[in-house]
Amino acid sequence: GAGVSQTPSNKVTEKGKYVELRCDPISGHTALYWYRQSLGQGPEFLIYFQGTGAADDSGLPNDRFFAVRPEGSVSTLKIQRTERGDSAVYLCASSLGGVGSKNIQYFGAGTRLSVL
Amino acid sequence: GESVGLHLPTLSVQEGDNSIINCAYSNSASDYFIWYKQESGKGPQFIIDIRSNMDKRQGQRVTVLLNKTVKHLSLQIAATQPGDSAVYFCAESVFNAGKLIFGQGTELSVKP
Repeated sequence: GAGVSQTPSNKVTEKGKYVELRCDPISGHTALYWYRQSLGQGPEFLIYFQGTGAADDSGLPNDRFFAVRPEGSVSTLKIQRTERGDSAVYLCASSLGGVGSKNIQYFGAGTRLSVL
Repeated sequence: GESVGLHLPTLSVQEGDNSIINCAYSNSASDYFIWYKQESGKGPQFIIDIRSNMDKRQGQRVTVLLNKTVKHLSLQIAATQPGDSAVYFCAESVFNAGKLIFGQGTELSVKP
């Protein structure tokens, strides 16, 4: 079946604007994760959903960042009042389960966000 | 802990040689570890995982070794091929915590 799909693949925006990044997980995966990756560094955890609820949002840097997963499948990461420091690749991953199960996370190709 | 910067550690090997990529992890409570491969412009791709009740696990051409005493993880790639050229990340988690904590990454360059 299809892997994790992220849209758009690239997003260019201006400082202060609002952006939405979309993630379609692998069908049947109940757990969904958002990470942010800066150039030359490993992915940094942002938020994790088990079903519709955010099980762990400890990685969100501030209240400008918000994510939803209303039907337990597709998720949207929302960034308000974007800043140049938000420029990075935003990665989404999904896994069959979350807590208590083998946690192989499968990643999408990411959305490259550039804030001018 | 590992230093963070724009310049990844680099390992350069000849095609056909074996490669060993090392990783130090930070959390003594971590009990699940994964190696990912990331090619330019792509997301991380799962290679192999290991739980803390094991010290070695083998896959196809890859072996992961875990030393919990010194909190060290290594990935061995046998008969390295040009297609193995990528950045390799280790990641750790507590088994029932969900999130992965990634290391800095090592860039593997394979010369034909």
